[in-house]
Amino acid sequence: EAGVTQFPSHSVIEKGQTVTLRCDPISGHDNLYWYRRVMGKEIKFLLHFVKESKQDESGMPNNRFLAERTGGTYSTLKVQPAELEDSGVYFCASSQLAGAGNEQFFGPGTRLTVL
Amino acid sequence: AQSVTQLDSHVSVSEGTPVLLRCNYSSSYSPSLFWYVQHPNKGLQLLLKYTSAATLVKGINGFEAEFKKSETSFHLTKPSAHMSDAAEYFCVVRNYGGSQGNLIFGKGTKLSVKP
Repeated sequence: EAGVTQFPSHSVIEKGQTVTLRCDPISGHDNLYWYRRVMGKEIKFLLHFVKESKQDESGMPNNRFLAERTGGTYSTLKVQPAELEDSGVYFCASSQLAGAGNEQFFGPGTRLTVL
Repeated sequence: AQSVTQLDSHVSVSEGTPVLLRCNYSSSYSPSLFWYVQHPNKGLQLLLKYTSAATLVKGINGFEAEFKKSETSFHLTKPSAHMSDAAEYFCVVRNYGGSQGNLIFGKGTKLSVKP
């Protein structure tokens, strides 16, 4: 069974440019999460999809970030325009259920560097 | 509100000696606690989880953790370190205040294993 995949693995862009990160969850997983780790800080929750609906986007830092999940399958996270402080590693995770104890399976992350 | 504190940012042990990675938690509810591991260039992998069943939880690769409510701790241990255990370890608590599923991470502990 394929795990969670993320593309690209690395992205280097200049301040003001746009970047789109993609996450493909494990097939059949309705729940999809985005997290981010900024240099030197802990991994922080960004948002949670259940199928194609945003269940919780309380962790999104500002309106420069837009997440979508077309048809409840893969998800994209677009940053427009990118700022220096957006640099970090963006993780995607998926799970079948969202209740207590349910394992979230993580992808390898996308390392974003904004110059 | 829930939170976790990992007491050591770096731990170094010799191969064959015990491993202890410390984590304290804070939670208004009976917590769901996890330990994840990240090897270089890999995704986060679940080591073990506690969800109010047995207080001593066994995980993969010989790791275990004990939930101690009186000490609000959930320390990760392993009797004998292997070189392959070198990685970053995250103590995690489920956030009951947010969407039913998002995770709150500690800052991580980097484990080095010396030959």
